[in-house]
Amino acid sequence: AQSVTQLGSHVSVSEGALVLLRCNYSSSVPPYLFWYVQYPNQGLQLLLKYTSAATLVKGINGFEAEFKKSETSFHLTKPSAHMSDAAEYFCAVDKLIFGTGTRLQVFP
Amino acid sequence: KAGVTQTPRYLIKTRGQQVTLSCSPISGHRSVSWYQQTPGQGLQFLFEYFSETQRNKGNFPGRFSGRQFSNSRSEMNVSTLELGDSALYLCASSLSHSVRSYEQYFGPGTRLTVT
Repeated sequence: AQSVTQLGSHVSVSEGALVLLRCNYSSSVPPYLFWYVQYPNQGLQLLLKYTSAATLVKGINGFEAEFKKSETSFHLTKPSAHMSDAAEYFCAVDKLIFGTGTRLQVFP
Repeated sequence: KAGVTQTPRYLIKTRGQQVTLSCSPISGHRSVSWYQQTPGQGLQFLFEYFSETQRNKGNFPGRFSGRQFSNSRSEMNVSTLELGDSALYLCASSLSHSVRSYEQYFGPGTRLTVT
């Protein structure tokens, strides 16, 4: 069975600082991994996905994530946070299984 | 191409009533999934439909049910509403149910409040 754990329900950073959102997965088969973002009063939209083609995946809005099999991790990063990045971020495994989300706050 | 639409966007019901939510997927998408989103619980998977058949089911009581029509539109029904059913219900569509790598496209959700 697949599962996903997001460490930290809330993350706060200053504008311009590094963003790091953590995601660990459990899967009995090679996983497909996704990061989605949810802005207030909206549904989720895809940021990026890992499908085994490359371990470093680049997504929209300057985000990227690295698949590390040895650590069963798929952490999301962005070098420099922007105010518009404030939102809730969800990691998912195999299309249907989502984590509990991490709310990112960005302070000026 | 139009996105996933959900109706209604907001709903207020009383305990014990039943409710039906509707979802229209992106044109050409035949898989529709439903999720319940509550603070602290994240997205909890309810069920997935493809070609009018339920293909996957989450761990929810039988009060939660769904169906899909031949045009891929889907409805979910919650009977005998409880206060704990208050949540944002999200619908998502994708091309197929069987390909694990397919991403999902989400609607804006229906905010259900049970009083």
